[in-house]
Amino acid sequence: GDSVTQMEGPVTLSEEAFLTINCTYTATGYPSLFWYVQYPGEGLQLLLKATKADDKGSNKGFEATYRKETTSFHLEKGSVQVSDSAVYFCAPSSGAGSYQLTFGKGTKLSVIP
Amino acid sequence: NAGVTQTPKFQVLKTGQSMTLQCAQDMNHEYMSWYRQDPGMGLRLIHYSVGAGITDQGEVPNGYNVSRSTTEDFPLRLLSAAPSQTSVYFCASTPGSGLGYTFGSGTRLTVV
Repeated sequence: GDSVTQMEGPVTLSEEAFLTINCTYTATGYPSLFWYVQYPGEGLQLLLKATKADDKGSNKGFEATYRKETTSFHLEKGSVQVSDSAVYFCAPSSGAGSYQLTFGKGTKLSVIP
Repeated sequence: NAGVTQTPKFQVLKTGQSMTLQCAQDMNHEYMSWYRQDPGMGLRLIHYSVGAGITDQGEVPNGYNVSRSTTEDFPLRLLSAAPSQTSVYFCASTPGSGLGYTFGSGTRLTVV
């Protein structure tokens, strides 16, 4: 079945540091790829997405590129802020045309001043 | 505000009790899902619906029922609560494939 492997956390960074959270996946067909963010005590919010190979999703300074050849969708940000402290989830859809998502276990990021 | 509304936010049940978690969306989304979130497990799909009158099982459906009588509402019923159902439950909806889900704020359920 479909699966997602996310970089294990927790990850602790100093403010303005560079962030990478690795994500690789297996999925049927040609999935769309998503990153969600969950702030403490809240539900998940869509952070960014990419729907085809080599697409780059971006939002709030975060970026991720759809790498079909390596089945990866790594999340990056050049300079993190304290307000980026949250749990990040990688989630491919279950193949082309599917609306179901398979979630990774999440990576908790803590940014310290 | 448009979005997904879940009630209640918190609930404590005794083993064997039943209850319904409510979920409503006002975005006219066809697809809705219920997930549970447990520490270190990510989110796991319980049930989903592709439209009014159509539901199907996800990864962990045992002990839960759903119905979808309208596009807006997708309640989740716990038939006989067990401590293993202690979790945070999220309802989510999407207009279609590749567009991403909008999540509710969650229901934190404790079964004692």
